[in-house]
Amino acid sequence: DVKVTQSSRYLVKRTGEKVFLECVQDMDHENMFWYRQDPGLGLRLIYFSYDVKMKEKGDIPEGYSVSREKKERFSLILESASTNQTSMYLCASSFSRNTEAFFGQGTRLTVV
Amino acid sequence: GQQVMQIPQYQHVQEGEDFTTYCNSSTTLSNIQWYKQRPGGHPVFLIQLVKSGEVKKQKRLTFQFGEAKKNSSLHITATQTTDVGTYFCAGLWGNKLVFGAGTILRVKS
Repeated sequence: DVKVTQSSRYLVKRTGEKVFLECVQDMDHENMFWYRQDPGLGLRLIYFSYDVKMKEKGDIPEGYSVSREKKERFSLILESASTNQTSMYLCASSFSRNTEAFFGQGTRLTVV
Repeated sequence: GQQVMQIPQYQHVQEGEDFTTYCNSSTTLSNIQWYKQRPGGHPVFLIQLVKSGEVKKQKRLTFQFGEAKKNSSLHITATQTTDVGTYFCAGLWGNKLVFGAGTILRVKS
């Protein structure tokens, strides 16, 4: 079974802190994605990566950056956390561009 | 940019009634995927449609892809309480996977 693991299930951070959300997949998938999920807005794409060291902006990249130094790991970085970044963050991976995405359990981030 | 609009946002049905959610894109899609998210869970892949006009069935679920590859629908026949959750469509443009806002389904027993 494919496993996508997010480092934390719940996280509370202070405004202005630098926050790292980690995601690891164990199936040698090429593509990895970061989404945030908010009520009524669905899943909004923040960044995605289709190869090591490659990244592309999604629909809402402002205030975020990403890192993919190794194929299995995709990190989301909040440079200076703000309260409007309080959300559920979901990581996903897929083998290639036309295959299903597998999701992690999500990280519920609260910025106070 | 690439966007996927999904309606309705919310639907509450009596057990045994049918349910349909619709997905529309302003641009032609490479393919479309459908996911289900149970309350408290994460999205789980249901199916992928690739060909124009494609229809696929999974037991009581019927998925359709429009002829122009710009719209899609998911129809559930005779809903059951196990069908509750949020159903998402997701459009694929190259490597970019963009989700709709989802339809929340509640089923009254």
